[in-house]
Amino acid sequence: GQQLNQSPQSMFIQEGEDVSMNCTSSSIFNTWLWYKQEPGEGPVLLIALYKAGELTSNGRLTAQFGITRKDSFLNISASIPSDVGIYFCAGQLPPGSARQLTFGSGTQLTVLP
Amino acid sequence: EAGVTQFPSHSVIEKGQTVTLRCDPISGHDNLYWYRRVMGKEIKFLLHFVKESKQDESGMPNNRFLAERTGGTYSTLKVQPAELEDSGVYFCASSQVDRGGEQYFGPGTRLTVT
Repeated sequence: GQQLNQSPQSMFIQEGEDVSMNCTSSSIFNTWLWYKQEPGEGPVLLIALYKAGELTSNGRLTAQFGITRKDSFLNISASIPSDVGIYFCAGQLPPGSARQLTFGSGTQLTVLP
Repeated sequence: EAGVTQFPSHSVIEKGQTVTLRCDPISGHDNLYWYRRVMGKEIKFLLHFVKESKQDESGMPNNRFLAERTGGTYSTLKVQPAELEDSGVYFCASSQVDRGGEQYFGPGTRLTVT
């Protein structure tokens, strides 16, 4: 099946720094999504991307849908302590294919004060 | 608008026992998905309902897992008999028909099989 390679696996950053993480795939996805999961909670949808090349922001978060449709990145600017959590990328195949999401393995983000 | 809810939040059972997990999707969401995250690995798809019909159950590990969605509202996932490798966090997600990519997740059920 499809597989997403997400990196880095973990990050330790100082409060106020910018963060970047990315996902790559051997398959073409029609939709890329970024989720954040905090302890004891389910993944929360941060950003959904639907078009190749699309760049979308949500507050301090910015994500892009790669031109090849096989990759995406997420940037967090001016990190704060509440940004701590696991960030997952997820992709959905084009219409006509299975509708489930394929997830990356996650990036564990720690923000140091 | 209420989000996706799951019950129970935690379940600890012995190998060989039966457990039933419940998911209530967001009202009006016809798509309902079950996923599982095992041992800190990636979240993996189990199955997909559209209303009461199973659209795709290709991710179900084996026939010890049975999912139902009677009436197209809430769904249950039963594991019988449970094995040690079934331990993990089971997530339910729902989405609108025309926004299938935007799936909204419940808090999960943490299942521990001892």
